[in-house]
Amino acid sequence: AQTVTQSQPEMSVQEAETVTLSCTYDTSESDYYLFWYKQPPSRQMILVIRQEAYKQQNATENRFSVNFQKAAKSFSLKISDSQLGDAAMYFCAYRRNAGGTSYGKLTFGQGTILTVHP
Amino acid sequence: SAVISQKPSRDICQRGTSLTIQCQVDSQVTMMFWYRQQPGQSLTLIATANQGSEATYESGFVIDKFPISRPNLTFSTLTVSNMSPEDSSIYLCSAVGQGHNEQFFGPGTRLTVL
Repeated sequence: AQTVTQSQPEMSVQEAETVTLSCTYDTSESDYYLFWYKQPPSRQMILVIRQEAYKQQNATENRFSVNFQKAAKSFSLKISDSQLGDAAMYFCAYRRNAGGTSYGKLTFGQGTILTVHP
Repeated sequence: SAVISQKPSRDICQRGTSLTIQCQVDSQVTMMFWYRQQPGQSLTLIATANQGSEATYESGFVIDKFPISRPNLTFSTLTVSNMSPEDSSIYLCSAVGQGHNEQFFGPGTRLTVL
C-alpha cells in the first residue's frame, strides 16, 4: 500500500521569505500523480500544484514550485515570497495513475500547518 | 475545472440519528469519492461512489454505516447512520475531472454529534 509522510507538523515563515515543506512517499508503482493541497480555516481543499511522475521537469505555479526526486520518493513544496494568505494546512497526496480499483484514490500525508508572520 | 457544492455545510445532530449529505458537481466527472477528516487529522477515504451501482468501501468503512448513492454522473449522497460522537468530522466529496489530471473537492460538511 502507498504511504505518504509529512515529517513537519508545523512550519513558520516571515512574510516575503521562502519556505519549503517536505513530503516523502512510498510506492511500487511507476505511473502516478503527486499533489499539494492547501486547506485554510474555511476547510476548502485547494489544489496548489500537481506533478506527474513520468515528467522530469518540476512543476511550477507562480510562487509555488516543487522539487520532485523520483528515485528518492521525495516531493517538497517551495513557497516563494510568502504571503499572509498562504497560512493554512498543507497536505501532500499521492494518486495512482493506472486503471484498476485504486484509480483516483488519494492517499494523504498527515499535513503541515504553515504560519506566516507579518 | 469542476465546482463541487455540498449540503448541508454543517449540522449538529443527536446520537442515534442519521444525516444525509449531498454532493453536486457542475460538470460531468469520471469518479466521485467521499472522505472523512476527523478533528485535527488528515483525510481518509471512505468509499468510491459508483454510478448506478453499489459504492466501493475502504477497509474500516461499511455500507450499513455509510450508505452512498450516485444516481448520475454529477450527484452523490453520503448518509451517516446511527450516529455517535465519534462520527463528528468533516465529510468531503471529491471528484476526478474528465481530464483525469485534476481532483476537486467540495467545501466539506462539518458534522457534530452530541
